[in-house]
Amino acid sequence: DQQVKQNSPSLSVQEGRISILNCDYTNSMFDYFLWYKKYPAEGPTFLISISSIKDKNEDGRFTVFLNKSAKHLSLHIVPSQPGDSAVYFCAASISSNQFYFGTGTSLTVIP
Amino acid sequence: DADVTQTPRNRITKTGKRIMLECSQTKGHDRMYWYRQDPGLGLRLIYYSFDVKDINKGEISDGYSVSRQAQAKFSLSLESAIPNQTALYFCATRTFWEAFFGQGTRLTVV
Repeated sequence: DQQVKQNSPSLSVQEGRISILNCDYTNSMFDYFLWYKKYPAEGPTFLISISSIKDKNEDGRFTVFLNKSAKHLSLHIVPSQPGDSAVYFCAASISSNQFYFGTGTSLTVIP
Repeated sequence: DADVTQTPRNRITKTGKRIMLECSQTKGHDRMYWYRQDPGLGLRLIYYSFDVKDINKGEISDGYSVSRQAQAKFSLSLESAIPNQTALYFCATRTFWEAFFGQGTRLTVV
């Protein structure tokens, strides 16, 4: 059973607009969440994270929101740029155990 | 130099052959992981190791084995490769806060 789900396989956004990527999870014990970005022919790279004691974390153009009651997190990218076009994975973990990854959302930012 | 290095980057092998994928890291982390990526399935954990003497199965360990030769080295073996093991394989290390991935090995089993 997939414990971390990304229900949108792909998303297209105009340059300059907001990109919103969503992620749902089933295990209420998850206490740490991350977003990774992956370009073709490269390994995933860390983007931003959030602890379960927070509901928002911001880093430049990237903001992650966590709604624990809904078991939902989202990544907002504002403004979106063509270089943001990549596959985005959300991940969750319990303490320092393994990360569980979602299936990924392919973001295309149209110039 | 990359913090996490995987070799080879690409490999084509025949069904039934034994193949080893190697991973080395310079970050000094104890925890190392092997994942595979398949279209529509995301990253799935194969094996992980918390130190040289601690090896654990992940969610899809059948058909795979691993060896942790040193803190810096973690190898993944396919004893008898089969076509549905064709995938992109990633090695990773982690701190509590984030995981660091290698560039991946694209394995094709024909």
